[in-house]
Amino acid sequence: AQKVTQAQTEISVVEKEDVTLDCVYETRDTTYYLFWYKQPPSGELVFLIRRNSFDEQNEISGRYSWNFQKSTSSFNFTITASQVVDSAVYFCALRCYVIKAAGNKLTFGGGTRVLVKP
Amino acid sequence: KAGVTQTPRYLIKTRGQQVTLSCSPISGHRSVSWYQQTPGQGLQFLFEYFSETQRNKGNFPGRFSGRQFSNSRSEMNVSTLELGDSALYLCASSLEGGGTTDTQYFGPGTRLTVL
Repeated sequence: AQKVTQAQTEISVVEKEDVTLDCVYETRDTTYYLFWYKQPPSGELVFLIRRNSFDEQNEISGRYSWNFQKSTSSFNFTITASQVVDSAVYFCALRCYVIKAAGNKLTFGGGTRVLVKP
Repeated sequence: KAGVTQTPRYLIKTRGQQVTLSCSPISGHRSVSWYQQTPGQGLQFLFEYFSETQRNKGNFPGRFSGRQFSNSRSEMNVSTLELGDSALYLCASSLEGGGTTDTQYFGPGTRLTVL
């Protein structure tokens, strides 16, 4: 079975501070995919990043960066120089690949609410 | 390219009624997945459809069902509504339904309130 844990339920920062969101996952599969989604108050889940289990290279995209460490089963996400518009709930998600026909199920963590104050 | 659309956005029903929610995927996407979001249980997978076939189903009672049409549009139905069915129902579409570069894109959701 797959499991995703986001231990931080809420983080409050002042604008321009950096925010790091923790994500720990459990899976027995050797091939899997990790995602971060953002859910603003409007409710729609917005895709942010995807990482494949066979690629541990960490990257930066604009103000977003991520740290994928297979050895500790962690996939942390950082927002640099936070802005008020970053206030939202952030979800980490896991999809396992057994065979393509097995489907497309995402397992989500509980989410971390980020509040950025001006 | 238009995103995933869901209708209606809000619904109020009473216990015992049934409801049908609709989802139109991004053009060209063949996989549609449904998720239920509640404060207590979080985001939970309901089912996925690919080429009009249900490929995967979450741990929900048989009152929850769905279907997909030849144009990839999908509907989900909940019969005999219970108070606990009050939730935000999110639909997501993806191109291949599980490929290496596949990503699910979500619609705005339908907020269902059962009184």
